[in-house]
Amino acid sequence: AQTVTQSQPEMSVQEAETVTLSCTYDTSESDYYLFWYKQPPSRQMILVIRQEAYKQQNATENRFSVNFQKAAKSFSLKISDSQLGDAAMYFCAYRSGTYGNKLVFGAGTILRVKS
Amino acid sequence: EAQVTQNPRYLITVTGKKLTVTCSQNMNHEYMSWYRQDPGLGLRQIYYSMNVEVTDKGDVPEGYKVSRKEKRNFPLILESPSPNQTSLYFCASSPGRGTEAFFGQGTRLTVV
Repeated sequence: AQTVTQSQPEMSVQEAETVTLSCTYDTSESDYYLFWYKQPPSRQMILVIRQEAYKQQNATENRFSVNFQKAAKSFSLKISDSQLGDAAMYFCAYRSGTYGNKLVFGAGTILRVKS
Repeated sequence: EAQVTQNPRYLITVTGKKLTVTCSQNMNHEYMSWYRQDPGLGLRQIYYSMNVEVTDKGDVPEGYKVSRKEKRNFPLILESPSPNQTSLYFCASSPGRGTEAFFGQGTRLTVV
């Protein structure tokens, strides 16, 4: 079974600085997808970024980018120019490309942004 | 507006009193799932459906039931709720394999 590990329960960053959230996963599959979701205090789950395993290029969405290391099974999220609105719980998630009936989530990382 | 709608958002109930959390999506998605979120555990899948009348267990199905009689609706039923089912519940839908999931607003359930 696939597992997703987020080893940082909490992180803090100063406004305008850069922070990296870590995520590792375990799978024997070659076809899969990785996601980062943001959960602000409103509880809404918001997709931040998506990465296909077959793509070598790291995904980027404005201030958010990933460092996808397929051999190391690592999928970290970098947030540049941090803003107060980035404060939230962040979840890393895995989805099989073959048996894609579910997302497997990590435990989450709480990100605090200091002004 | 494309969305997943679940109701209610908050629910406090007593042990053993049957309840249903509704979920509806307007995006014509094939896949629908229910997850529960608990501190330190992330989100775990309860049940999923890949089409009308097709449902299957996820990782934590005990104490829950689902049905998928229409493509848009996927209610979660707790026949006899217990305090260990106190949690934050999410319904999600997606168009197919490899795609991101779209989540409802969440239902905070407390069983006393």
